[in-house]
Amino acid sequence: DAKTTQPPSMDCAEGRAANLPCNHSTISGNEYVYWYRQIHSQGPQYIIHGLKNNETNEMASLIITEDRKSSTLILPHATLRDTAVYYCIVGYSGNTPLVFGKGTRLSVIA
Amino acid sequence: DAEITQSPRHKITETGRQVTLACHQTWNHNNMFWYRQDLGHGLRLIHYSYGVQDTNKGEVSDGYSVSRSNTEDLPLTLESAASSQTSVYFCASSEVVDSYNEQFFGPGTRLTVL
Repeated sequence: DAKTTQPPSMDCAEGRAANLPCNHSTISGNEYVYWYRQIHSQGPQYIIHGLKNNETNEMASLIITEDRKSSTLILPHATLRDTAVYYCIVGYSGNTPLVFGKGTRLSVIA
Repeated sequence: DAEITQSPRHKITETGRQVTLACHQTWNHNNMFWYRQDLGHGLRLIHYSYGVQDTNKGEVSDGYSVSRSNTEDLPLTLESAASSQTSVYFCASSEVVDSYNEQFFGPGTRLTVL
């Protein structure tokens, strides 16, 4: 079973920041938080990952709470193309397969 | 550019038939994975491989098999297709670099078992 809890759906106005929460209260000390997204009918796409520190790349920012029990993925200026299902995954850095939950369906509205 | 491809993209078959779905990657990744995705579920792991001659069962492996004879390919075989195996199948590959466990996914195969 997935080790994360996410809201099933969210809406966001185009151009605004999309903040997607994730709860992972049972995360262990050496597990990472990964975010993937799946645009309709396509294979999932990696977005970002982190261990303890906040991370930022060209796609998004990841904010992890100090106790590491929750995190937030931030899309700073959501566009219609960001409409997708977003998966928060907890896993190790090695070869351990990732366990996908049901994710959050983000709808970006014009 | 390196890529991961799946074939066929769509397949209709009958109950009881053997079906093989192909997955080919040119990333030269050691790790390859097969998932299935159904309405109401996320992606569920079927089988995975960490290298040539290595295969491992995932969460929903019953009725499926894989073999890894080279780095580039991990074909998924349904020995005797059942209607419950109607699904979208995704193949993925990865290579761990530092803390990076990024999986690259193929475009998927939509399988219908009648």
